[in-house]
Order: sequence, then C-alpha cells, then structure tokens
Amino acid sequence: GIQVEQSPPDLILQEGANSTLRCNFSDSVNNLQWFHQNPWGQLINLFYIPSGTKQNGRLSATTVATERYSLLYISSSQTTDSGVYFCAAPRSLTGGGADGLTFGKGTHLIIQP
Amino acid sequence: EPEVTQTPSHQVTQMGQEVILRCVPISNHLYFYWYRQILGQKVEFLVSFYNNEISEKSEIFDDQFSVERPDGSNFTLKIRSTKLEDSAMYFCASKSLMDSPLHFGNGTRLTVT
Repeated sequence: GIQVEQSPPDLILQEGANSTLRCNFSDSVNNLQWFHQNPWGQLINLFYIPSGTKQNGRLSATTVATERYSLLYISSSQTTDSGVYFCAAPRSLTGGGADGLTFGKGTHLIIQP
Repeated sequence: EPEVTQTPSHQVTQMGQEVILRCVPISNHLYFYWYRQILGQKVEFLVSFYNNEISEKSEIFDDQFSVERPDGSNFTLKIRSTKLEDSAMYFCASKSLMDSPLHFGNGTRLTVT
C-alpha cells in the first residue's frame, strides 16, 4: 500500500511565525487531504488537494503528485493553530472508490504566545 | 454545514463486554468508514462500507468487529468482546463521491477497563 511520511515530527514556534509542513508519499496519488487535529481530538478538514495549490485564509497547500509530495503552509501562526497536522492519501492505487485513506504520523505543532 | 455525528462521545466498558458505537453520516453521502486512533498514535483505517456491504477492511478489523447500516441514516461499529487494547478514539467518516473529501465525526473515546 501507499506509504505516507510527514516532517518534521515536532515543531515549536512563536506566535506570528510562518511554517511549512511536508508530506511525502510513496506513489502518485489522485487524492490527498490535510487535517488538523485540535487538542480536543477533533479531526478538522483543511484541504482536499490531489494537485495544485489552494488557499484558505492563513493556510495554503500545494501538492505535486508527480513528485510525490504535498506542503502545508501556515502564515502568521496563532496559538489556536496548535495541534497535530495529518496528511492522508489513498491506501492503495488499485483500491476501488471506497478505499480508505492512510495517514501519516503527523506533525505536532506548538505555537507559543 | 452538514456534519458527521457520533454518539456517545465517551464510553467506558469492562473487558469482555460488547459495545456499539453509533454514527450518523452526512445525509447524501454514499461511502462510510470507521477509523481508530490509539492515544498518541496515528489514525488507522478499520473498514469501508458502500452499497450496503463492506468494501475494504484492514487487518485490525477481525472477527470481533462488525459494522451495520440498520436504516437510511445510522452506521454502527460493534465490538463483540472488548479487550484492553481496544481502548482508543474511534472515528466515523463519510464521503459523497469516489473522488471527494472524507469528512470525519468528532469521535467516540472508548476506554476498556
């Protein structure tokens, strides 16, 4: 199946800083999602981004499927950005439409005031 | 915005007992999933469900687990005889189309004592 690796595993920043989180995957995929898990454990959808670039406020994401990576950018970080950021890709290339996602281990982001 | 809802938010049970975790996926969605997350670890795929049957299941989803869509709105995960290692956060998810984002519920935290 597809392997998903995220870096860095941990990141501590001061409020106002910018950050880039990386997601590498082992094969070209047609589906890539970024999630934010907040301190209460909720998984919040950030981006569905099989390719290209999307922006949503202070967050943006870019996926280059042919080069097997995706980047999540967070600008002007706030303490509420703290949590774990996961990327997820299809479990396999040969799976059908119902195939689930495989998650990376996440980047644990702490934004200090 | 429509949400995936899960009940209960917390469940404590004794080893060997049966538990049923409940989910109401987003109403026009066709694909349904269960995931689990052991504390501090990554989110793991358990099972996918489409067209009233299991589509894919992971090696975690053994004979102790079963899923059901008893009516047009609910989607349940049953663990027949719980073990200590079943303690985890269980997430339900759904999506509308084959190539569309996966939406997660807020999870049920299961504690087996």
